Amino acid sequence: GAVVSQHPSWVICKSGTSVKIECRSLDFQATTMFWYRQFPKQSLMLMATSNEGSKATYEQGVEKDKFLINHASLTLSTLTVTSAHPEDSSFYICSARRGVNYGYTFGSGTRLTVV
Amino acid sequence: QQQVKQSPQSLIVQKGGISIINCAYENTAFDYFPWYQQFPGKGPALLIAIRPDVSEKKEGRFTISFNKSAKQFSLHIMDSQPGDSATYFCAASSWGNTDKLIFGTGTRLQVFP
Repeated sequence: GAVVSQHPSWVICKSGTSVKIECRSLDFQATTMFWYRQFPKQSLMLMATSNEGSKATYEQGVEKDKFLINHASLTLSTLTVTSAHPEDSSFYICSARRGVNYGYTFGSGTRLTVV
Repeated sequence: QQQVKQSPQSLIVQKGGISIINCAYENTAFDYFPWYQQFPGKGPALLIAIRPDVSEKKEGRFTISFNKSAKQFSLHIMDSQPGDSATYFCAASSWGNTDKLIFGTGTRLQVFP
């Protein structure tokens, strides 16, 4: 149980375009979802926390207008990178949690390359 | 106070040896300590986790040792195998509320045959 599916696994886009990444909890309802960014050989950096039906809470230094997060249902959260630039190229990972007395399940990640 | 310090940054172990990775935390509100294994190009996968009510937890070749007074916890991988070569992250959070998971800096483990 507790499977999180993330799509796409990799995407290449042109500079200036927007890219949407989906995160789905397949066999449970996720009260909270988290989005991380990971640079090569570095740890996971939390970007934002989202609860179903409410606005995401962004970490300090993360541009909310650039990284749009929508948690429209208890099984789906999306991250849209707007007007992507080469410096946005990174590995993006989502995580979902069934509730406060459950652990954190991670998706398989999305490699974004902006050219 | 939100940091989780992890060491070593990298570790090379011979097949069959014991791999030990250490983590330390400051926030006494933390009461959930998972370890994640990450292979290149993949998301982190939960390996084993511990709560402060026990000082040790073992699952197969993987053992977490927890020292509440020292605010330290460690991962021991017994009989290390080449397939264990990956990056390992410790993490911490407060169980029972909506707090985020705080990650350590990661340890790159290489197990040579």
